[in-house]
Amino acid sequence: GAVVSQHPSRVICKSGTSVKIECRSLDFQATTMFWYRQFPKQSLMLMATSNEGSKATYEQGVEKDKFLINHASLTLSTLTVTSAHPEDSSFYICSARQGLSSYNSPLHFGNGTRLTVT
Amino acid sequence: RKEVEQDPGPFNVPEGATVAFNCTYSNSASQSFFWYRQDCRKEPKLLMSVYSSGNEDGRFTAQLNRASQYISLLIRDSKLSDSATYLCVVNLDLNQFYFGTGTSLTVIP
Repeated sequence: GAVVSQHPSRVICKSGTSVKIECRSLDFQATTMFWYRQFPKQSLMLMATSNEGSKATYEQGVEKDKFLINHASLTLSTLTVTSAHPEDSSFYICSARQGLSSYNSPLHFGNGTRLTVT
Repeated sequence: RKEVEQDPGPFNVPEGATVAFNCTYSNSASQSFFWYRQDCRKEPKLLMSVYSSGNEDGRFTAQLNRASQYISLLIRDSKLSDSATYLCVVNLDLNQFYFGTGTSLTVIP
């Protein structure tokens, strides 16, 4: 079945550094991928929609200069958290839909990246 | 008004019980519907799609009521391993998905 792979699964970094998270669709092409953030005991919050070959669409309140998204190929989207601060510590998850034109295709989620900024 | 409303619970039920969750959605143009399960500190995983005629997968039954704009998930004979957060997801168009807040279920021995 469809698989979305996310890497790394866990990262600890120092405040002020940048962290890159990769999201790959392993056996299908994804022109669109989605990035979410989830704080403990809270709901998934959509951060941005990543579009292959074009700019990402960011949700209101998400800083595009802080959360850089690159979707350079049909199987890879990256999220870079620039100049990370402790308040950026969270669980970051990507997802993609197999079946570009089918409403019946569900979202498949990556395994998530737990970011801790010290 | 939120696109998707879901009772966050928590639902605490004994093993073997039947439990049902509902989600209501606001946009009648919504195209497809899904239930996901999310375990603590893990990503959501697809539990089942929800079809217009209703569908069943073992102990799980999903139903869609377009007239009243809600979807439901019924779990029969609850197991300890069913303890998780259950998310409803509504798809409005090909790239627009709306998530419920999740319903927390704990099955008690």
